[in-house]
Amino acid sequence: AQKITQTQPGMFVQEKEAVTLDCTYDTSDQSYGLFWYKQPSSGEMIFLIYQGSYDEQNATEGRYSLNFQKARKSANLVISASQLGDSAMYFCAMREGAAGNKLTFGGGTRVLVKP
Amino acid sequence: DVKVTQSSRYLVKRTGEKVFLECVQDMDHENMFWYRQDPGLGLRLIYFSYDVKMKEKGDIPEGYSVSREKKERFSLILESASTNQTSMYLCASRAWVANEKLFFGSGTQLSVL
Repeated sequence: AQKITQTQPGMFVQEKEAVTLDCTYDTSDQSYGLFWYKQPSSGEMIFLIYQGSYDEQNATEGRYSLNFQKARKSANLVISASQLGDSAMYFCAMREGAAGNKLTFGGGTRVLVKP
Repeated sequence: DVKVTQSSRYLVKRTGEKVFLECVQDMDHENMFWYRQDPGLGLRLIYFSYDVKMKEKGDIPEGYSVSREKKERFSLILESASTNQTSMYLCASRAWVANEKLFFGSGTQLSVL
């Protein structure tokens, strides 16, 4: 079974609007971490945001926020005020275990921001 | 600045060849990883290592092996390359800290003809 599921293969968003990228995960561990990465067309992997399973507040980093719903096992990324430079692939990933050492990635969502 | 360096950006090999992909990190990280990236499949973990000479299989280890003789270097080996191993290969490293992110190399696009 898929550990990380990103159901949206691709989406368009209008510049300056907000966009939500879905991510659901499956784990039986109580301690885990969730990450989001951005991959622009250049191919580099850029870390965006992290949420620990015991973190009580949703993580935020600038225009990025993580809508963490533990009971539903979802960790959606919200990008506010989209910019043309946000056009990229976005990957959700999960680290299982306390310190752990393995990150499992979802299939990714391609976002295209329209001017 | 933190750096993960992969030896080749593009590589073209023939079916049956033995292929070495090299990765070096300068951050003294304990953990190193090899992923392959294919469209629609995301990143899939091939092998990882949490210490020198230690390795563990990831989700798709078949057809691959790895070597970690020194802490900073992690090599991926394709014993006998096949066309279905044509892919983008990404090396990454991270420290043994719960919230520590992965640092990625720039990737090697391998084509097996």
